[in-house]
Amino acid sequence: DTAVSQTPKYLVTQMGNDKSIKCEQNLGHDTMYWYKQDSKKFLKIMFSYNNKELIINETVPNRFSPKSPDKAHLNLHINSLELGDSAVYFCASSQEGGYTFGSGTRLTVV
Amino acid sequence: SQQGEEDPQALSIQEGENATMNCSYKTSINNLQWYRQNSGRGLVHLILIRSNEREKHSGRLRVTLDTSKKSSSLLITASRAADTASYFCATSRSSGSARQLTFGSGTQLTVLP
Repeated sequence: DTAVSQTPKYLVTQMGNDKSIKCEQNLGHDTMYWYKQDSKKFLKIMFSYNNKELIINETVPNRFSPKSPDKAHLNLHINSLELGDSAVYFCASSQEGGYTFGSGTRLTVV
Repeated sequence: SQQGEEDPQALSIQEGENATMNCSYKTSINNLQWYRQNSGRGLVHLILIRSNEREKHSGRLRVTLDTSKKSSSLLITASRAADTASYFCATSRSSGSARQLTFGSGTQLTVLP
């Protein structure tokens, strides 16, 4: 069983569209995250969320919004997509210790 | 802001040699972690060292932490072609009730057969 699964794996869309990326973890972890990895492989935290607190990286545009229907899911919704949003987006979860990452969603905005 | 800086950015060695990667950071931490990322894949957690620990081993991996110098090193012994990947250090510190993991810029390791 995949511990942290995110879909879709690839997403190609036009500028201005709204899209969502889904993430689910079956590890029972209490905290989930979204990271963005740019073309230079630099990983930047976007959000961290547990059932008590959402922490937003202040540099993330408000076009990005996390949505958590329950403890095992943290979806990422993006409005009005821009060319600069093209990147690989990783979902992760943790309890204590190391993070478990999903396999990533490669988003390409054309 | 970027917490970790890794050195070197790229490292190419022959199979069987040892590979050493270094990481420096700026703020106080709870722990420091190393991850591996194969091309086109997600990150895989390798090892975690707490701020009160100085050295830790896991198989062919050895990690050191010097909190006075705010630096860490990852040593991979007897490298294999399958070790070819990007390696990232990441520092963890608590922010409210959530833990934040901040990544370095990564070292691309190439192990030549």
